[in-house]
Amino acid sequence: DIQLTQSPSFLSASVGDRVTITCRASQGISSYLAWYQQKPGKAPKLLIYAASTLQSGVPSRFSGSGSGTEFTLTISSLQPEDFATYYCQQLNSYPPNTFGGGTKVEIK
Amino acid sequence: EVQLVESGGGLVKPGGSLRLSCAASGFTFSSYSMNWVRQAPGKGLEWVSSISSSSSYIYYADSVKGRFTISRDNAKNSLYLQMNSLRAEDTAVYYCARRSITMVRGVTQNWFDPWGQGTLVTVSS
Repeated sequence: DIQLTQSPSFLSASVGDRVTITCRASQGISSYLAWYQQKPGKAPKLLIYAASTLQSGVPSRFSGSGSGTEFTLTISSLQPEDFATYYCQQLNSYPPNTFGGGTKVEIK
Repeated sequence: EVQLVESGGGLVKPGGSLRLSCAASGFTFSSYSMNWVRQAPGKGLEWVSSISSSSSYIYYADSVKGRFTISRDNAKNSLYLQMNSLRAEDTAVYYCARRSITMVRGVTQNWFDPWGQGTLVTVSS
């Protein structure tokens, strides 16, 4: 099975900060990666698919990059509503469609 | 509006059974593969099971294989998860999610969207 390792698992940042989250795959997955945002008590929400394609309606301060085994999610200027937990997911092969362990973004 | 609504969660004793349902609306349900994903309290997301549009292909996580059964009724726009021999470690919020597929830069890509609001399953004596 393909494993996904997210780093950091927790980060503390201020409004306006640039934030970068990394997701590393245990083997190459081309661009078959999605990013989700989850707020407490809510379902995950798709942000980015195909590693770098922004889902309709998602603010342009979110961006994704990478291919192969290393991927990043960047928030260019953190907003109050962005404090949440972020997950990557590989869709290169299944079963299983593995998720990363998550990165919790909290207010500094 | 594309929507998924789960139901059927609750409190069940270890060894018991429960059947979850997911009602779909706002899209052609019979054209999409569907998935169950769970999240234990305070933990991350875990893919549980997938079923293709015509039920021809079904997959399970090793942690539930032999105990859970995924199914669908395209006439009723509904997805199901029959959970038997439940264990404490099955305690989680269970989400259904649609697998969306499209071509991106000449490559067929897929992702999970939308997700339902989730239904809580608690396995405890």
